Amino acid sequence: KNEVEQSPQNLTAQEGEFITINCSYSVGISALHWLQQHPGGGIVSLFMLSSGKKKHGRLIATINIQEKHSSLHITASHPRDSAVYICAVPNYGGSQGNLIFGKGTKLSVKP
Amino acid sequence: DVKVTQSSRYLVKRTGEKVFLECVQDMDHENMFWYRQDPGLGLRLIYFSYDVKMKEKGDIPEGYSVSREKKERFSLILESASTNQTSMYLCASSLAHSTGELFFGEGSRLTVL
Repeated sequence: KNEVEQSPQNLTAQEGEFITINCSYSVGISALHWLQQHPGGGIVSLFMLSSGKKKHGRLIATINIQEKHSSLHITASHPRDSAVYICAVPNYGGSQGNLIFGKGTKLSVKP
Repeated sequence: DVKVTQSSRYLVKRTGEKVFLECVQDMDHENMFWYRQDPGLGLRLIYFSYDVKMKEKGDIPEGYSVSREKKERFSLILESASTNQTSMYLCASSLAHSTGELFFGEGSRLTVL
């Protein structure tokens, strides 16, 4: 069963700062997901990546398959980036089709 | 735009009541999932379905059942609600198994008194 660790659990930043959120997993994977959850509940898929790097606006996701590690970066952070960021990986050996989710990183960006 | 719609955002039920949570997706996705989310525990899979009338148990299926009579609709049923089922319930859909992008509904916050 794959295990996922995210760090930090909580992060407070000033507007404009560069943010990094980390995700480590224990079993080799085909793809890793980064998700964003705003207060109120809805979850949005940000990235799904299997190698290298992906960029969308001010968000950048990287993955190192050998080290079993991924990072989510936010450049020029803004208060609207305040949310919980969750990484998820396939749960090989568990329920087919299942993802294992990290416990999330709660980001608060102050103006 | 892709859409997953959950029938109720907030519900309050009494212990022992039967509860139905409905989820509809408009993307013709084969796979649909029900998760619950609790503080400190993250998202956990209750059940998922990979086709009409097909279902598989997730990690925490006890106390729940599901129904998928049509491709676009996946229902979660609590036969006899208990206080430990107070939680946020999230429905999701995808085209493929764990390598497919997930699309989530807004969530249903259930309180069982």
